[in-house]
Amino acid sequence: EAGVVQSPRYKIIEKKQPVAFWCNPISGHNTLYWYLQNLGQGPELLIRYENEEAVDDSQLPKDRFSAERLKGVDSTLKIQPAELGDSAVYLCASSLDPVSKLFFGSGTQLSVL
Amino acid sequence: LAKTTQPISMDSYEGQEVNITCSHNNIATNDYITWYQQFPSQGPRFIIQGYKTKVTNEVASLFIPADRKSSTLSLPRVSLSDTAVYYCLVKRGNTPLVFGKGTRLSVIA
Repeated sequence: EAGVVQSPRYKIIEKKQPVAFWCNPISGHNTLYWYLQNLGQGPELLIRYENEEAVDDSQLPKDRFSAERLKGVDSTLKIQPAELGDSAVYLCASSLDPVSKLFFGSGTQLSVL
Repeated sequence: LAKTTQPISMDSYEGQEVNITCSHNNIATNDYITWYQQFPSQGPRFIIQGYKTKVTNEVASLFIPADRKSSTLSLPRVSLSDTAVYYCLVKRGNTPLVFGKGTRLSVIA
């Protein structure tokens, strides 16, 4: 069975440019998470979806970050405009439901120059 | 959510048993203790979860004393491939997991 798939694997952009990350969760997983991980730190939650509804987005910087999960399957996380401090690894995870264990993708490593 | 405290780093030689202890003094009655492992350039991976006493699977054992204010992840006979960051987390219902910095385990030949 395929795991959580994220793309791209790496992204290098200049500051003020837009960027988007894509995530395909494990089939049948209703809960989807986006985490941000800075070097040497643990992942930090940005947003959680239950099907297509964002149920926990209090940590998402809404002035520049947006996310969507149309049809309750794939999800996209967007940053516009990107800032130097956004350089990090963006991880997507999915689970059957909010209480089940998480399965993470390999992440997208973003470098903002 | 209960805060967890664990060592920043540990070193071990190949073939040894490694025990990583985590404290979670403010754990609530319905909370579970869960551990994840993260290799470089990968996302975290679930290892084991428990509520009390002892849980064992093919990867590790988890020991939880009666007061549940701490837990110990035990990795038997580690190899170089066990070098990773290990996160101790408290799982409360449907609340999202909150990751700390974890314990960086380095296994030396």
